[in-house]
Amino acid sequence: AQSVTQPDIHITVSEGASLELRCNYSYGATPYLFWYVQSPGQGLQLLLKYFSGDTLVQGIKGFEAEFKRSQSSFNLRKPSVHWSDAAEYFCAVGPYNTDKLIFGTGTRLQVFP
Amino acid sequence: DAMVIQNPRYQVTQFGKPVTLSCSQTLNHNVMYWYQQKSSQAPKLLFHYYDKDFNNEADTPDNFQSRRPNTSFCFLDIRSPGLGDAAMYLCATSFGGAGGSSYNEQFFGPGTRLTVL
Repeated sequence: AQSVTQPDIHITVSEGASLELRCNYSYGATPYLFWYVQSPGQGLQLLLKYFSGDTLVQGIKGFEAEFKRSQSSFNLRKPSVHWSDAAEYFCAVGPYNTDKLIFGTGTRLQVFP
Repeated sequence: DAMVIQNPRYQVTQFGKPVTLSCSQTLNHNVMYWYQQKSSQAPKLLFHYYDKDFNNEADTPDNFQSRRPNTSFCFLDIRSPGLGDAAMYLCATSFGGAGGSSYNEQFFGPGTRLTVL
C-alpha cells in the first residue's frame, strides 16, 4: 500500500539556519511527489512538486527538494530559514491513475529568532 | 484572483444538530475534495467529486454527505454531528484529466473550523 512517512513530528531551528525536512514514501513506481505548507488556521499551499526529470526541484519561498529513488525520499530543504517559515509542512504522494493525494502526518517547524 | 472560498470560517453547532459547510471556487476546476483535519494530524480525505461523479472514501462515516449542485459549489453536510466530528474541514479543487489527476496541484480553501458543543 502507498504511504508517506515524515519521521520528524517537530523541528526547531534558529532564524538564518539551514533546514531539511525528511519525507519517505512507499510506492511501487515513481510517484508524483508534493510538499505543502500550512500556516496556523489556514489551508494548505503548494511549495513544490516532482513528476519526472531533474531530481532537484525548486519551489516557492526559497525551498527546494531532492528526489532520491534509491532511498525513496523527497526531502525538503531551505538554506536559510526565516521566522515566517514557521508552519506545518506536509509531504504528499499522488498515486498514478487516481485523483487523490496521500499525506504524511506533517512536521511542525518552529523558528527561534 | 481565482480562489477557493469556504463559508463560514468558524461554525459552532450542538451535538446532533445538522450542519452544512460550503465551498465555492472561481478556478473552474472539475474536481472538488473535502478533507477532515484534526489537530496536529494530516488532512483525511472524506470524498471527492470528479465533475458530477461522487467518490466516497471507504472509511467515511455515513453521517457525512456531500452535494455538488454545479461546478462552482460543493457542500458538506454532517447529519448528526458528534463530539468526534469537531475538526477543521478543508475544501480543495484541482483540474482533473482522464486517467487520474493526482499530478495536478490541489488548491485549498482556508478551511472551516467546526466546534460541536
